[in-house]
Amino acid sequence: QQQVKQSPQSLIVQKGGISIINCAYENTAFDYFPWYQQFPGKGPALLIAIRPDVSEKKEGRFTISFNKSAKQFSLHIMDSQPGDSATYFCAASIKGGATNKLIFGTGTLLAVQP
Amino acid sequence: DVKVTQSSRYLVKRTGEKVFLECVQDMDHENMFWYRQDPGLGLRLIYFSYDVKMKEKGDIPEGYSVSREKKERFSLILESASTNQTSMYLCASSFSGSPRGYTFGSGTRLTVV
Repeated sequence: QQQVKQSPQSLIVQKGGISIINCAYENTAFDYFPWYQQFPGKGPALLIAIRPDVSEKKEGRFTISFNKSAKQFSLHIMDSQPGDSATYFCAASIKGGATNKLIFGTGTLLAVQP
Repeated sequence: DVKVTQSSRYLVKRTGEKVFLECVQDMDHENMFWYRQDPGLGLRLIYFSYDVKMKEKGDIPEGYSVSREKKERFSLILESASTNQTSMYLCASSFSGSPRGYTFGSGTRLTVV
């Protein structure tokens, strides 16, 4: 019940296209949903995040859409660029013991072709 | 620039060795975490710490232990390394309180032969 299911596992998009990555969860105790971007040889870096009282958040070309009733959220990358090629992880935060901890999805490897 | 620094980028150890992975953060974060990253499995939480000398098990603690003697330093210990512990290990830190993003280190790729 603490899992976060992410799809697809990999994605190829043409430059200028829209990349869409989806995540789903079961536990309604999750209260914060970040997305992380990871380039080869680097640790994941926070990209954008949303709280469940908001249905959409946009930062530049990156948008999170959040559907609380369906327990799903997605990352949209508009006008995808080759520099966006990376692995993307969705995550969900839950109070675990004395503090909050993040549960991560399995990751999506995005390749944007020039 | 704020940082989470992992002491080794690559490590090769033999089966049965005791292995120490070190992580240091300079952001005065209360929380520190150890994850392992494996293809197709994402990031899985091994242990975390919310204060000096305090620790809690994550989802896959078997075969690992941790130590946090100072606020800025969090060590992951493999008591007797095994080949199935070959993986990328990522350290992260965050402030406590309301959920916030983590800052990750660049990772240590451990190979156990």
